[in-house]
Amino acid sequence: ETGVTQTPRHLVMGMTNKKSLKCEQHLGHNAMYWYKQSAKKPLELMFVYNFKEQTENNSVPSRFSPECPNSSHLFLHLHTLQPEDSALYLCASSPSGTSGVWATQYFGPGTRLLVL
Amino acid sequence: QKEVEQNSGPLSVPEGAIASLNCTYSDRGSQSFFWYRQYSGKSPELIMFIYSNGDKEDGRFTAQLNKASQYVSLLIRDSQPSDSATYLCAVNRMDSSYKLIFGSGTRLLVRP
Repeated sequence: ETGVTQTPRHLVMGMTNKKSLKCEQHLGHNAMYWYKQSAKKPLELMFVYNFKEQTENNSVPSRFSPECPNSSHLFLHLHTLQPEDSALYLCASSPSGTSGVWATQYFGPGTRLLVL
Repeated sequence: QKEVEQNSGPLSVPEGAIASLNCTYSDRGSQSFFWYRQYSGKSPELIMFIYSNGDKEDGRFTAQLNKASQYVSLLIRDSQPSDSATYLCAVNRMDSSYKLIFGSGTRLLVRP
């Protein structure tokens, strides 16, 4: 098992619900990421946090709201989602650096989200 | 042109054969190159990374990097059915050192 955990592992929600995904890394890394992976599609980078500061928002709709209270924890708050938001949501972390081992990302197991 | 390109496959090889997976990238300033394996329904797991031209071996896996030609490949020796998965190539660009650019992946099928 990796040093990146995600909860919940599965989530079913209605379009009017509000829920949050949680990610925690125990690797001492400084950068954390949210990715979306839809069926038969490549990984889509959503957000990047580096030393708790958001450094990337890849034109993600406002119904997804990230939060990074410290370098070990990352949240993705969800509200009024659409059925097309159903996907595997992956969290990753990396040491944060220029190359090689410092840029290597380690993924959590993901949260399988179904929006009804 | 995509920044990182991979043939989607599937690449089908018999058990025991060498599987060769290729990846090309467009940014000459790319610094590090990563291979991840992703089983269906699971998250990507790191196989290895390479940042110098040439070969890097780790068990049955060998990564090959040719910066002049802008390609990186992954060879899997003695392929096993358990190697059947999607292999993702990722590139770390100089201007965004903490962000990886992922290819869409190549699906590998190893026939018993």
